[in-house]
Amino acid sequence: NAGVTQTPKFQVLKTGQSMTLQCAQDMNHEYMSWYRQDPGMGLRLIHYSVGAGITDQGEVPNGYNVSRSTTEDFPLRLLSAAPSQTSVYFCASRAGLMNTEAFFGQGTRLTVV
Amino acid sequence: AQSVTQLDSQVPVFEEAPVELRCNYSSSVSVYLFWYVQYPNQGLQLLLKYLSGSTLVKGINGFEAEFNKSQTSFHLRKPSVHISDTAEYFCAVSDNTETNFGNEKLTFGTGTRLTIIP
Repeated sequence: NAGVTQTPKFQVLKTGQSMTLQCAQDMNHEYMSWYRQDPGMGLRLIHYSVGAGITDQGEVPNGYNVSRSTTEDFPLRLLSAAPSQTSVYFCASRAGLMNTEAFFGQGTRLTVV
Repeated sequence: AQSVTQLDSQVPVFEEAPVELRCNYSSSVSVYLFWYVQYPNQGLQLLLKYLSGSTLVKGINGFEAEFNKSQTSFHLRKPSVHISDTAEYFCAVSDNTETNFGNEKLTFGTGTRLTIIP
């Protein structure tokens, strides 16, 4: 079972470059989200989606863009990378009910120089 | 809106000793509570969850947690730890009210790094 797949696993960007972090799930989950993990700050929600065509901002959305054209995919776009976006990014999906567990991808370690 | 506090950023414990990782939450509505574990260089996986009913919930790998509504706590415990328990542990909360847009969000604490000393 693939679960939640994130690509790439590692990425180095120069300041000002743009890129897309990919996230795909094969569990037909309605709810998908992106988090960033920074030392001492836990996981902070960037953007989330409750279904195809529906997205909203989380706690730290600035500098990121998302769209959800299919149930399976939820890409995260960095519009103009900044060193402050150096982080580990996790994509997660849930079945859409508040009492269900979230399934996480393996993460993307992004460094912006 | 909810918040989660994990006061201990690091907890060192000798192998085979008991451990308790503390979690307190704040919310204006009823909540569901979760503990996730993150092993080095991996994503998070669910340890256990409290939805309703018995306040003592058991999870994988011998962990358990107790929900205390009056103290708004959900502390994680294990009676005897092993080297393989070395990981970071995250407490998380989710809204328990009727499904509305945005109520599906999980709010995480800042994590507790558990280090097992041989």
